[in-house]
Amino acid sequence: DSGVTQTPKHLITATGQRVTLRCSPRSGDLSVYWYQQSLDQGLQFLIQYYNGEERAKGNILERFSAQQFPDLHSELNLSSLELGDSALYFCASSVGAGQETQYFGPGTRLLVL
Amino acid sequence: SQQGEEDPQALSIQEGENATMNCSYKTSINNLQWYRQNSGRGLVHLILIRSNEREKHSGRLRVTLDTSKKSSSLLITASRAADTASYFCATDAISSARQLTFGSGTQLTVLP
Repeated sequence: DSGVTQTPKHLITATGQRVTLRCSPRSGDLSVYWYQQSLDQGLQFLIQYYNGEERAKGNILERFSAQQFPDLHSELNLSSLELGDSALYFCASSVGAGQETQYFGPGTRLLVL
Repeated sequence: SQQGEEDPQALSIQEGENATMNCSYKTSINNLQWYRQNSGRGLVHLILIRSNEREKHSGRLRVTLDTSKKSSSLLITASRAADTASYFCATDAISSARQLTFGSGTQLTVLP
């Protein structure tokens, strides 16, 4: 158990819908990272927040947004969902802003029908 | 785009044998990490090696880093059936600080 929690574990929804994925980092970690893992794209970095501020941006679509709250938990919002958004979404956390070990949550499996 | 590429894509060995996986990357890095993922589960950090280190050990794991060849290897000695998983290298490139770029992974199967 990494100490990172993610909810929900599974999510099934329809195209065009909007969903929110939630992540709680390990106690004491200030950074939260979001990743998408799909069969064709592999594991892709989406975005990082550090102590409430956006720190780095990767291959995140404009339909996706994230935020980190004062209690350091983070949410990833996915809107106007498409079939291709079906994937495993992982959250990871680390103590500092980067160049260090990241601890991954168990993931949220999203299926868009 | 993926910075690291693992080789082989899949590896099947008998319990007790050693498993070696390789990772090649393209740009200069701050560090390189290896992670393990059991099917459909979250990634688990195994080991981090910094760009100024050449070799690192952790239990049955041995990692080497050759920055001149932009490559790393992960050796698992005396493998066990429980080592069956996907193994990913992840690089923290100097040009994209704080972003970890993962390779496509090596699927290791250890047969009992």
